[in-house]
Amino acid sequence: DIQMTQSPSSLSASVGDRVTVTCRAGQSIGTYLIWYQQKPGKAPKRLIYDTSILQSGVPSRFSGGGSGTDFTLTISSLHPEDFATYYCQQSYSIPYTFGQGTNLEIK
Amino acid sequence: EVQLVQSGAEVKRPGATVRISCKASGYTFIDYYINWIQQAPGKGLEWMGLVNPEDDEIMYTEKFQDRVTMTADTSTDTAYLELSSLTSADTAIYYCAARPHGGEGFEFWGQGTLVSVSS
Repeated sequence: DIQMTQSPSSLSASVGDRVTVTCRAGQSIGTYLIWYQQKPGKAPKRLIYDTSILQSGVPSRFSGGGSGTDFTLTISSLHPEDFATYYCQQSYSIPYTFGQGTNLEIK
Repeated sequence: EVQLVQSGAEVKRPGATVRISCKASGYTFIDYYINWIQQAPGKGLEWMGLVNPEDDEIMYTEKFQDRVTMTADTSTDTAYLELSSLTSADTAIYYCAARPHGGEGFEFWGQGTLVSVSS
């Protein structure tokens, strides 16, 4: 199984800040990396797939990058509705695996 | 509008079996894999397996393969997850999620079904 490790596990930031979440895969996964956003009591929502393609309707302040083993999710300027938990997931091989999550909190 | 609507919360005794349904609408059912994902209370996401409604292909993770059955009924556009020999460790929210054939990631999600296992 491919292990996915996110950092940090939690992050405090303010509205307007630029934040970056990192996801590292245990082996090369090409660009088969997806990011999700989950708010309390809700199902996850796909934000970005194939490393950098924004899901329709996702604001352009979200962006993704990387390849191989190292990937990033960047929010260029935090909005209040962005405070949530973010997960990465590899779709390179089955079993699909997720990172442990990054909890983005308001400072 | 695409929707995956799951059945309601369940309370089960240890050793019992639970069956959860996931009714799809707003897209062509056979064009997407239905995946099942577990989220224990306060924890992260764990992929359990998938069923392909087009040909009934199934894939399960090793952790669940002895206790899980995933099926899809194309006459009703509904997928099912059955998990047997329940223990308290199975207390979790279970999500169905659809991945397009040839696409990446889980594009559509059900609202989740809470399964509580307690004696």
